[in-house]
Amino acid sequence: GENVEQHPSTLSVQEGDSAVIKCTYSDSASNYFPWYKQELGKRPQLIIDIRSNVGEKKDQRIAVTLNKTAKHFSLHITETQPEDSAVYFCAAPLFGNEKLTFGTGTRLTIIP
Amino acid sequence: EAGVVQSPRYKIIEKKQPVAFWCNPISGHNTLYWYRQNLGQGPELLIRYENEEAVDDSQLPKDRFSAERLKGVDSTLKIQPAELGDSAVYLCASSPDVILSYEQYFGPGTRLTVT
Repeated sequence: GENVEQHPSTLSVQEGDSAVIKCTYSDSASNYFPWYKQELGKRPQLIIDIRSNVGEKKDQRIAVTLNKTAKHFSLHITETQPEDSAVYFCAAPLFGNEKLTFGTGTRLTIIP
Repeated sequence: EAGVVQSPRYKIIEKKQPVAFWCNPISGHNTLYWYRQNLGQGPELLIRYENEEAVDDSQLPKDRFSAERLKGVDSTLKIQPAELGDSAVYLCASSPDVILSYEQYFGPGTRLTVT
């Protein structure tokens, strides 16, 4: 069916360590993969995105990797800090729709 | 640049009452979205506008939900009558261009509680 699966649902990481969140999608034609960060009671904010013509994109401590063959993409956060604690959502457009289907979210907790 | 503005931020109503949410997108953004976000879940699209035209409302429960975007700028989402299961955060988002419509910017949302 049309879905975006996200794992894990919760993740606790020691401050300074790396965190990785993975999403799989069902439509091989999907060509845009954003990641949103949502702090408690606040709006989802776009933190990084990648299009299907590249395999990796980095922005300071965050990076996104894309494996089109396996239909999965991952968010990598290095040198984690307490302010990285939030819920992270992946998304992808599925089956020609001009809309994003969101994953179920990962609650990331950075342990000081 | 001002972001997407929504009001009210919070609303508590009794079931069977009507409620309306308002959204002002980022200036110049032609595409506007209304999402519903239930606790612990990702946003789910209710309706998408290209200018003043609703181009995707397949997920909108049309028996009780309605939306409009007069003049292709501000938008309102209405629920009448509200049910207990409508309690959620209603998010508005906008995009600057149809081709780049995947890049969405969200408003702060309206947290609706139906009692």
